[in-house]
Amino acid sequence: GAVVSQHPSWVICKSGTSVKIECRSLDFQATTMFWYRQFPKQSLMLMATSNEGSKATYEQGVEKDKFLINHASLTLSTLTVTSAHPEDSSFYICSAAKVAGVGDTQYFGPGTRLTVL
Amino acid sequence: EDQVTQSPEALRLQEGESSSLNCSYTVSGLRGLFWYRQDPGKGPEFLFTLYSAGEEKEKERLKATLTKKESFLHITAPKPEDSATYLCAVGIIFGKGTRLHILP
Repeated sequence: GAVVSQHPSWVICKSGTSVKIECRSLDFQATTMFWYRQFPKQSLMLMATSNEGSKATYEQGVEKDKFLINHASLTLSTLTVTSAHPEDSSFYICSAAKVAGVGDTQYFGPGTRLTVL
Repeated sequence: EDQVTQSPEALRLQEGESSSLNCSYTVSGLRGLFWYRQDPGKGPEFLFTLYSAGEEKEKERLKATLTKKESFLHITAPKPEDSATYLCAVGIIFGKGTRLHILP
């Protein structure tokens, strides 16, 4: 149990285009979903936290107009990178928790590798 | 400021050579310490959650312990398939991980 999927697993796009990444909890309802990015050999950096039906809470330094997050249902959250640039190239990972808040176990998706040319 | 520090950054062991990974933390109110395993190019895989000092959890060759200031991930008689990066997190704050490499 507690499986999280992400789609696509990798994407290459041209600078200036937008990319949407989906995160789904397959066998449980996720009250809270988290979006992270990870650079090579670095740890996960939280970008934003989203609760179903509410606006996402963004971490300091993360542009909410650039990284649009929609938590449309208890099993689906999407991250849209708008007007992507090469510096947005990274490994984006989502996670889902069954309970609201940061004290519950997070179950991670397999990640999406974004390369912006 | 909440902080999670892992050591060592990297560790190479011979197969069967037991060792421990350290995770020290300074947080204002522990609401769970988490250990994850991450293989290259993949998302983290949940291993353990610890909530209170003195708590211990085991899974196969791994054992996690928790004190008021740090947690240890003990690896007993590791095998090459245990090679991975092990991440420690307190809530949403992650350490940089320990890259473990087990030599056959």
